[in-house]
Amino acid sequence: DAGVTQSPTHLIKTRGQQVTLRCSPKSGHDTVSWYQQALGQGPQFIFQYYEEEERQRGNFPDRFSGHQFPNYSSELNVNALLLGDSALYLCASSMEGDNSPLHFGNGTRLTVT
Amino acid sequence: AQKVTQAQTEISVVEKEDVTLDCVYETRDTTYYLFWYKQPPSGELVFLIRRNSFDEQNEISGRYSWNFQKSTSSFNFTITASQVVDSAVYFCALSLEGETSGSRLTFGEGTQLTVNP
Repeated sequence: DAGVTQSPTHLIKTRGQQVTLRCSPKSGHDTVSWYQQALGQGPQFIFQYYEEEERQRGNFPDRFSGHQFPNYSSELNVNALLLGDSALYLCASSMEGDNSPLHFGNGTRLTVT
Repeated sequence: AQKVTQAQTEISVVEKEDVTLDCVYETRDTTYYLFWYKQPPSGELVFLIRRNSFDEQNEISGRYSWNFQKSTSSFNFTITASQVVDSAVYFCALSLEGETSGSRLTFGEGTQLTVNP
């Protein structure tokens, strides 16, 4: 039973570029949430996708956008990268209506130079 | 707005010592959930426990125990007879009822626990 998988593991981008991160939820899960974790800090909620729509959003600018596909996988897109976007990006999945806790992936380490 | 504070940035202990990680939270809601997660160097957040605001019973799971006190808005985590494998960053988190499966978590800054042999 595969857990939450994220790709790529590491990524280096230049300021101003755009990046796409990918996430496959745990089997049976239909809801995907994204978190940003800066070095030495706790994760911060970016947004959540369910039924291919953004359902909740944290305090992040419009440069951060996402998408969910019919197979429940998800992408996180960040435009016009800033140095401050360097962080570990974590994807978490859950099943709507199920009260079980989130399952997290290992994350994508994004470095913006 | 919700807030979670973990005042201990780093803790270092010797194997077999007991260690308590502190967590203080703030919320105006009466119904909420509290969590502890462990983050090893691999980066994945590993779920340890969830507690709802109406259940103040302390919980023990093997060497782990949790003390929830609404009167002081605290949800502390104790590891008994610590082991080197317990070394990790530990996060306390909070979510509100209605935030669908607790997926919108507010995390504390984390406590880096190092257990030395």
